[in-house]
Amino acid sequence: DSGVTQTPKHLITATGQRVTLRCSPRSGDLSVYWYQQSLDQGLQFLIQYYNGEERAKGNILERFSAQQFPDLHSELNLSSLELGDSALYFCASSSLGGGSSYNEQFFGPGTRLTVL
Amino acid sequence: GENVEQHPSTLSVQEGDSAVIKCTYSDSASNYFPWYKQELGKGPQLIIDIRSNVGEKKDQRIAVTLNKTAKHFSLHITETQPEDSAVYFCAANSGGGADGLTFGKGTHLIIQP
Repeated sequence: DSGVTQTPKHLITATGQRVTLRCSPRSGDLSVYWYQQSLDQGLQFLIQYYNGEERAKGNILERFSAQQFPDLHSELNLSSLELGDSALYFCASSSLGGGSSYNEQFFGPGTRLTVL
Repeated sequence: GENVEQHPSTLSVQEGDSAVIKCTYSDSASNYFPWYKQELGKGPQLIIDIRSNVGEKKDQRIAVTLNKTAKHFSLHITETQPEDSAVYFCAANSGGGADGLTFGKGTHLIIQP
């Protein structure tokens, strides 16, 4: 158990809908990362938040957004969903992200999103 | 941006033998190289990592080597056991603490009894 929690475990929805995925980082970790895992694209970095502020963006679509709250939990919002958005979404956390190079990232169990 | 290539995509070894998975990266600024193990239905689990100022690191049956000049790094698992069967991912980040990890495509390691 990494100490990172994600809810829900599974989510089934229809095209065009909007969903919110939730992540709680390990106790004391300030950085939260979101990743998407699909069969064709593999594991891809989406976005990072550090202590409430957006820190870095990866391959995140404009239809997707995220935020990190004062209690450090994070939410990933996916809107105007398409069939191709079906994937596993992972959250990871690390204690660093404020300028250090060696930030070990610990992954949660993931949310499996199915868009029908 | 960074690009990480990983080989092989599938590796089958006899229980007790060694397994080696290789990765190359493109960004010479990358300075942190973790390895993750992912079992079915679970999230990636960090098993070992290496930093660019180190050439080799060992943790029991697992070792990682890094060749900065050639921009490649490898995972070595000795005395493989059935519980080592999983998908293994290599990754790299470009430092500064601000970037997410760039992952290889993964290696499905199968331990034959």
